[in-house]
Amino acid sequence: QITLKESGPTLVKPTQTLTLTCTFSGFSLSTSGVGVGWIRQPPGKALEWLALIFWDDDKRYRPSLKTRLTITQDTSKSHVVLTMTNVAPVDTGTYYCVRLHTAYEEHHFFDPWGQGTLVTVSS
Amino acid sequence: EIQMTQSPSSLSASVGDRVTITCRASQSISSYLNWYQQIPGKAPNVLIYAASNLQSGVASRFSGSGSGTDFTLTISSLQPEDFATYYCQQSYSTPYTFGQGTKLEI
Repeated sequence: QITLKESGPTLVKPTQTLTLTCTFSGFSLSTSGVGVGWIRQPPGKALEWLALIFWDDDKRYRPSLKTRLTITQDTSKSHVVLTMTNVAPVDTGTYYCVRLHTAYEEHHFFDPWGQGTLVTVSS
Repeated sequence: EIQMTQSPSSLSASVGDRVTITCRASQSISSYLNWYQQIPGKAPNVLIYAASNLQSGVASRFSGSGSGTDFTLTISSLQPEDFATYYCQQSYSTPYTFGQGTKLEI
């Protein structure tokens, strides 16, 4: 069974750095075609892809947030960490950790998703 | 960045209805299109990948079609558990982008 679980602070002050950890099991990030990513959802709004790390350590970021995001992996402990610097109230939302699965011909999709963790940015 | 536009934004329907949701990409994405269902308070789940492939464990009343820029998600006979928000997502290139969502209501 594949599971992912997010952990981190529920409340962060503006200008601080947010660090979220995804702990996963049931798969290896060393397997070709696999990735782990982060997607967020502001309250009542749509999903927004943030970052992704692939099995070969290739990293991709949302361009508008690229200067503020860093994604890293710790394969020995099955963790992926996302850091976001200089947070603001607009960064409030539920943050999901996801596994990227590759089907045929490089068709990627996100499955499964973690339960999500609500992060509030407020002073 | 590829923009994804869904229509309608919300839809009222009844149990047993056939429903179609449309997703349009701002450029051709071949068949690199996925559909997700999000029940309120829960994480999304993938329904369809690569435009028309039903994810394992998903009910056969869900189907997807399309290629290039225009795609559809069809629910052949709505069940009570289908009332949720549906998102399309392109996997053609990063940044991966989602549609704004279609809320399916009774």
